Amino acid sequence: GAVVSQHPSWVICKSGTSVKIECRSLDFQATTMFWYRQFPKQSLMLMATSNEGSKATYEQGVEKDKFLINHASLTLSTLTVTSAHPEDSSFYICSARLNTEAFFGQGTRLTVV
Amino acid sequence: QKEVEQNSGPLSVPEGAIASLNCTYSDRGSQSFFWYRQYSGKSPELIMFIYSNGDKEDGRFTAQLNKASQYVSLLIRDSQPSDSATYLCASGGGADGLTFGKGTHLIIQP
Repeated sequence: GAVVSQHPSWVICKSGTSVKIECRSLDFQATTMFWYRQFPKQSLMLMATSNEGSKATYEQGVEKDKFLINHASLTLSTLTVTSAHPEDSSFYICSARLNTEAFFGQGTRLTVV
Repeated sequence: QKEVEQNSGPLSVPEGAIASLNCTYSDRGSQSFFWYRQYSGKSPELIMFIYSNGDKEDGRFTAQLNKASQYVSLLIRDSQPSDSATYLCASGGGADGLTFGKGTHLIIQP
């Protein structure tokens, strides 16, 4: 299947700092990518839809000014968690669709201390 | 609000038996349904997707869809200890992201 690469796989940051997570489609072009967040023992919750060349679409309750999404090319979307707080600690996962299938990145474990 | 419901389990099944995982969804407009397996601390991996009413088989896995009842299931035959994981049911399609259930924790007992 297609490969979606996410980096970094884990990151620890201090409260108040910003963290950037990258999501790349390695062998296909993705005009749309999706960002999910998963808290412990919870399911994946869609945060936003990243669209190449246009603004991201955020789900209800997700602060667009806190979670900045940039989709500058057909193979790269980035999520920046700004002014991170301990409650932002979570597993962040990106996804890209190829035809009918959604392929997921490896996920990024963010811990804010 | 689109919702996907799953029993969180844990569901314990003896090795070699059939594991049956169930899922219901609220959005009658949903067209596509997916089953993902997620190991602890890892990203989900796709097992199967199904669009049409009826059964779809792939190796030891069979997905079943009943749109009238808004019900999706996954059967795992000849269960192996390596099948122990959380199984996520999801609906979605087209340009939309997926709506996931909370997942069913499956334990295959050797």
